[in-house]
Amino acid sequence: SQQGEEDPQALSIQEGENATMNCSYKTSINNLQWYRQNSGRGLVHLILIRSNEREKHSGRLRVTLDTSKKSSSLLITASRAADTASYFCATDARGDGLTFGKGTHLIIQP
Amino acid sequence: NAGVTQTPKFQVLKTGQSMTLQCAQDMNHNSMYWYRQDPGMGLRLIYYSASEGTTDKGEVPNGYNVSRLNKREFSLRLESAAPSQTSVYFCASRRDRYNEQFFGPGTRLTVL
Repeated sequence: SQQGEEDPQALSIQEGENATMNCSYKTSINNLQWYRQNSGRGLVHLILIRSNEREKHSGRLRVTLDTSKKSSSLLITASRAADTASYFCATDARGDGLTFGKGTHLIIQP
Repeated sequence: NAGVTQTPKFQVLKTGQSMTLQCAQDMNHNSMYWYRQDPGMGLRLIYYSASEGTTDKGEVPNGYNVSRLNKREFSLRLESAAPSQTSVYFCASRRDRYNEQFFGPGTRLTVL
């Protein structure tokens, strides 16, 4: 079963704008991870946030985690055409593998 | 470093045929994983190996077997392929539990 659910399913914005994606999950977690997948390629790890952390930054990425609401958000600032991809959240509950959502497909319009 | 490599990249099978998907990592990681991704879906865990010598079932193990051949290699076998196993298969590895995972490029499998 899918633990994480991303929202929206698809997002189209202009280059230079910010993109925000949300993820909700159902059970307690050790950490939550965000991955990017370019069309036809493997997944690339973006950022990992542990259950005792509330916010984390990496370059143009900002991730928040609210364990009381079982939700996370990924913000990409100053978007670029190269950011066009699918973005997945994945929860790590017991350390035996990740449980992925269905993803948000992000399109950056030039 | 090549990271995580998978062979083959593409494969077409007929129903009932068998095949083995190969995966290798050169990062000295302890844990390895097999996932499948169906159109419009996230990845689902098939099997994993937390350390050399151990394997465990994931969310969707039926119709598959795995072998952790050594610390580097983790193979996935389809004994009697079915059309429902048409999917893209990803292998991943990580140093230990609760770390980020590193993914291979995937194997696109079609079962006719």
